[in-house]
Amino acid sequence: DTEVTQTPKHLVMGMTNKKSLKCEQHMGHRAMYWYKQKAKKPPELMFVYSYEKLSINESVPSRFSPECPNSSLLNLHLHALQPEDSALYLCASSQGLAGYQETQYFGPGTRLLVL
Amino acid sequence: AQKVTQAQTEISVVEKEDVTLDCVYETRDTTYYLFWYKQPPSGELVFLIRRNSFDEQNEISGRYSWNFQKSTSSFNFTITASQVVDSAVYFCALSANNQGGKLIFGQGTELSVKP
Repeated sequence: DTEVTQTPKHLVMGMTNKKSLKCEQHMGHRAMYWYKQKAKKPPELMFVYSYEKLSINESVPSRFSPECPNSSLLNLHLHALQPEDSALYLCASSQGLAGYQETQYFGPGTRLLVL
Repeated sequence: AQKVTQAQTEISVVEKEDVTLDCVYETRDTTYYLFWYKQPPSGELVFLIRRNSFDEQNEISGRYSWNFQKSTSSFNFTITASQVVDSAVYFCALSANNQGGKLIFGQGTELSVKP
């Protein structure tokens, strides 16, 4: 069962709000990823966690703060976002240590609108 | 440097037509993986296929087939007898050794299948 779940499906927030996106997988995968996708563009990698440790941060602004409480759960904490941060945020997971040979399985995404 | 080019931005076909989506990649690594993902309007990226750089065998899965040619650095995807449900954005992606699991996506091809 290749299922990654994400909540909420939609989120509207003001620039002064604090909110969190949640991602969960129960496939025993040990790597998890956050991507940001703008309309008509491919996904852009933001963060990678391998074995609950942050292994890649693609120079993402500090208003995005990832957290991996355990191997099944990945959060993205949002604070003081800008309207240009409005996008589809996708979570993915892969079986082993994040590497080039791993297949990433994606969740349905959270559509974020920042007003 | 790694790069994936999907030259076809949009393709429109009538149901039951065959359609080929082109993907050309660039990498200096000899060890890499290529992927195809489908993204329907709902937003989730659905994994379709993974192929490693040492396996040039073509693959067929139902109405889908893939042609991998290292000589031309191409990994093309053909849908036979297209259906309306095939309408989506299709992404080709590259993952090369020493990239820490980072997927390099092409810009995507939006396929519209009309009844």
